[in-house]
Amino acid sequence: AQKVTQAQTEISVVEKEDVTLDCVYETRDTTYYLFWYKQPPSGELVFLIRRNSFDEQNEISGRYSWNFQKSTSSFNFTITASQVVDSAVYFCALSEFLNDKIIFGKGTRLHILP
Amino acid sequence: EPEVTQTPSHQVTQMGQEVILRCVPISNHLYFYWYRQILGQKVEFLVSFYNNEISEKSEIFDDQFSVERPDGSNFTLKIRSTKLEDSAMYFCASSVGLAGDTQYFGPGTRLTVL
Repeated sequence: AQKVTQAQTEISVVEKEDVTLDCVYETRDTTYYLFWYKQPPSGELVFLIRRNSFDEQNEISGRYSWNFQKSTSSFNFTITASQVVDSAVYFCALSEFLNDKIIFGKGTRLHILP
Repeated sequence: EPEVTQTPSHQVTQMGQEVILRCVPISNHLYFYWYRQILGQKVEFLVSFYNNEISEKSEIFDDQFSVERPDGSNFTLKIRSTKLEDSAMYFCASSVGLAGDTQYFGPGTRLTVL
């Protein structure tokens, strides 16, 4: 069965601090895909990144970086030099090969304080 | 940049009434999805649709729900007889392909059942 766990329900940091959002997943498939989505206060779901299970290279996009470790089944997300606009709920998600659905974690609500 | 659109943004209805939520997926996408998010909870998969038929559905997607692609652009979710517990944000998504392809989400329709 597939499952995504985001143990951090809510995090608050002061602007300019770095923050890491944890994600642990469970799947029996050897081929799977991991995602992060951002849900700002306006409510939409914004795609941030997609990773397949064969690509363990870490990725950096501006202030965002992702650390994928198959050995610990984790796909963590770090925001460097956080900004108030980063305040949102962040969802980690998993999709198995040939499976239509994306399974979402419960999300981490991130507050960036000015 | 192409995006998924949804109408209406907010729908209020009385219990027992039928509602139709509308979505226009990204034009070259072939796979369409509906998800829902009860307030403050995680995003849950409802149904996927390809080639004019349902390809996968969740336990939530019971006989009260149906989906349709009535023309070349719209994708609709109908709830036949709404219940209080159907109150949620409903997201439409689309993707080019399956197998873990990125699903791009619309802004959502907030459904309130009174």
